[in-house]
Amino acid sequence: NAGVTQTPKFRVLKTGQSMTLLCAQDMNHEYMYWYRQDPGMGLRLIHYSVGEGTTAKGEVPDGYNVSRLKKQNFLLGLESAAPSQTSVYFCASARTGQGRSYEQYFGPGTRLTVT
Amino acid sequence: DQQVKQNSPSLSVQEGRISILNCDYTNSMFDYFLWYKKYPAEGPTFLISISSIKDKNEDGRFTVFLNKSAKHLSLHIVPSQPGDSAVYFCAASGGYGKLTFGQGTILTVHP
Repeated sequence: NAGVTQTPKFRVLKTGQSMTLLCAQDMNHEYMYWYRQDPGMGLRLIHYSVGEGTTAKGEVPDGYNVSRLKKQNFLLGLESAAPSQTSVYFCASARTGQGRSYEQYFGPGTRLTVT
Repeated sequence: DQQVKQNSPSLSVQEGRISILNCDYTNSMFDYFLWYKKYPAEGPTFLISISSIKDKNEDGRFTVFLNKSAKHLSLHIVPSQPGDSAVYFCAASGGYGKLTFGQGTILTVHP
């Protein structure tokens, strides 16, 4: 049982390049989330999904797209990377969005630098 | 507009003493509150939570208190141990499990 895994762990991009971050969970969770963490700002929600085939915008969605084609995977895409997207990206999953299931399980993070 | 705030960036405590981490929120619609612990180069891990219908929840050395009228919650760690040294985030949920996080407090427990 690996929990939540993220690929890659590190990446350096040039401005304007594109990339996809992959998140996978093996806990059969319905809900999945993408956050970014910047110094002094905590974690901010980018996009989330309440089930396979669904996605919704979070607090800071601009410049990102997501897809949830399979229940266990949640992809985060950067179409044209900008230096402002330099951050640590965390994926999380939760059984549901109710009660005790607010507990989210996080992956180890992807450190992205855009030059 | 920071809806969840942790006003203390850092806290230093002696081993065996109590650690108190504080968190304030502004949105009355939040109905569930959580504390996460984070070590460097790792993702946050869930620590303890509390529903808005309660004012206290205990789990071993960890207790979370919620004061709804003051829109304030706190995490007490007793006794503190060096292994508790980490960044602590409070988070609040208002639907679909979407969490709003505070900025985090770095806790250092000295032996």
